[in-house]
Amino acid sequence: EAGVAQSPRYKIIEKRQSVAFWCNPISGHATLYWYQQILGQGPKLLIQFQNNGVVDDSQLPKDRFSAERLKGVDSTLKIQPAKLEDSAVYLCASSSIRGSYNEQFFGPGTRLTVL
Amino acid sequence: QQQVKQSPQSLIVQKGGISIINCAYENTAFDYFPWYQQFPGKGPALLIAIRPDVSEKKEGRFTISFNKSAKQFSLHIMDSQPGDSATYFCAGRSNTGKLIFGQGTTLQVKP
Repeated sequence: EAGVAQSPRYKIIEKRQSVAFWCNPISGHATLYWYQQILGQGPKLLIQFQNNGVVDDSQLPKDRFSAERLKGVDSTLKIQPAKLEDSAVYLCASSSIRGSYNEQFFGPGTRLTVL
Repeated sequence: QQQVKQSPQSLIVQKGGISIINCAYENTAFDYFPWYQQFPGKGPALLIAIRPDVSEKKEGRFTISFNKSAKQFSLHIMDSQPGDSATYFCAGRSNTGKLIFGQGTTLQVKP
């Protein structure tokens, strides 16, 4: 089965610019997660979708970050405007059933550098 | 409290040795404790996981030991190999499926 796909793999932008990341989860996975992984730290959940509804966005900086999951499949995470501290790897993950023991499968991530 | 604390930050082990990584958690509502392995440029991948009603789980060379009363758990890698060199993350999972990760341990296995 194909894994979680993310694009682009790398992005370099100036501060105050905008950027968008795309994720295509594993087919049939209802739950989709976006994590931020700062260098030397563990991933931190930004937002969790169940189909196209938001389950948890408590750690999403909503003044600059937004995410959507149209039709309950692909998802886009946007940052506008970017700050230096947004430099990180943005990981997308998906799982098949919310609240079960089913594992989260992670994509390769998008490495964002904000200059 | 949602934190998961992981130690050590880095670990160097000789080939054939035992690697031990420790984690402590605060949230007693966590229902699942996975360990993820991450290689450079890749996303984390599930290595092994345990439920809080089990004290030990073994899969091949990898063992999780779980102490519910102490709110601690650890990963043991037996007969460590150079191919095990990676960053390891422990995590606790909430009832919504949210994973709270530790800070990570970079393991280097020397030939």
